[in-house]
Amino acid sequence: QSVLTQPPSASGTPGQRVTISCSGSNSNIGSTTVTWYQHLPGTAPKLLVYSNNQRPSGVPDRFSGSKSGTSASLAISGLQSEDEADYYCAAWDDSLTHVVFGGGTKLTVL
Amino acid sequence: EVQLVESGGGLVQPGRSLRLSCAASGFNLVDYAMHWVRQAPGKGLEWVSGISWNSHTISYADSVKGRFTISRDNAKNSLYLQMNSLRAEDTGFYYCAKDTYAGIGLPGDSWGQGTLVTVSS
Repeated sequence: QSVLTQPPSASGTPGQRVTISCSGSNSNIGSTTVTWYQHLPGTAPKLLVYSNNQRPSGVPDRFSGSKSGTSASLAISGLQSEDEADYYCAAWDDSLTHVVFGGGTKLTVL
Repeated sequence: EVQLVESGGGLVQPGRSLRLSCAASGFNLVDYAMHWVRQAPGKGLEWVSGISWNSHTISYADSVKGRFTISRDNAKNSLYLQMNSLRAEDTGFYYCAKDTYAGIGLPGDSWGQGTLVTVSS
């Protein structure tokens, strides 16, 4: 059971907009920033969003992050086939005093 | 170009030890905290441990506390993970990752390709 809760799966058709949620608590998302990663198993995870809504250089603006209270979301607009991957949220937890990840959401592009 | 290359993985029997290394290049390791993150077969990413730039702050996941030890040698541009009393559930790919800051925060924009650890008799 992950400290941060994500839906196990999400899907969309090319061109659609998809949103992935990440639910936490006051000791993690509610008190610190959220990071999102894209991962294909067996490869290096890729940073998509940091500090809730900041994109590293090279990440398309189709990816956007937001946070409200103890929840965060990753939105992917103009869905493309290459977006099919696993997506994870992460945050620091003040009570556990370590990093916590969400369980991951497998995105399928139909 | 920032590069992180893990090594030291392999097949090990339950209860034995293994030491992972992560060689960093393309940036000044001393300027950043570092992390180890793993993925068990069929499971999601799990943060394992993090260490600040000067090793003064270290943190572990509950699942490895007391068994794993993270360390770094900034002069050698290297990060390490000493894994003792290994269990079957420690099996998986282990990734090292660079933080965005010197103090422990979150894994950032640079990750290694991972090294596979298999714990089995």
